[in-house]
Amino acid sequence: AQSVTQLDSHVSVSEGTPVLLRCNYSSSYSPSLFWYVQHPNKGLQLLLKYTSAATLVKGINGFEAEFKKSETSFHLTKPSAHMSDAAEYFCVVSEESYGQNFVFGPGTRLSVLP
Amino acid sequence: DTGVSQDPRHKITKRGQNVTFRCDPISEHNRLYWYRQTLGQGPEFLTYFQNEAQLEKSRLLSDRFSAERPKGSFSTLEIQRTEQGDSAMYLCASSPEGVGGYTFGSGTRLTVV
Repeated sequence: AQSVTQLDSHVSVSEGTPVLLRCNYSSSYSPSLFWYVQHPNKGLQLLLKYTSAATLVKGINGFEAEFKKSETSFHLTKPSAHMSDAAEYFCVVSEESYGQNFVFGPGTRLSVLP
Repeated sequence: DTGVSQDPRHKITKRGQNVTFRCDPISEHNRLYWYRQTLGQGPEFLTYFQNEAQLEKSRLLSDRFSAERPKGSFSTLEIQRTEQGDSAMYLCASSPEGVGGYTFGSGTRLTVV
């Protein structure tokens, strides 16, 4: 069965410093992987997705993620944090063979300090 | 089309009452999903429709829960005899064919008192 681990429940960075949010997945098949962001009292917004094309994926708002099959990882990075990046981030895995549903990780709360 | 719409945004109900939520997906999306999110957790899959057919249901979806998508457009999620444990954010999402990512609505926050 597919599963997602987000190693940090909370990450705190200073504005202007790099962001690293870690995600590891388990999948029996070639998965599709996604990162979603959820701001307080807002819906989930797709940041970026990996669907077996280029392993380095660029998303919105300067975020990117690299798919590393050997490490079963899909870490999210951003070179310079902005105050508006403070939110909850979810890593998601999806396998066509398991139907069409996504499996979400538990989430990482990103705080950005001035 | 401005995205996935959910109604109501918030619902407070007494334990034992029935509640119904509505989701209007993006019009050209034939797939519709319901998820539940509790505080501090990631969303959990409840059920999935392709057009009007309900193709998959999670074991989380007890017999008090029922979802419909009668004409393959909007969907409703009904919870009968609500319990305090049903308090959560109920999220709807839609997608076209293929695994390209969902578009989520803003959710309906249910509080059972």
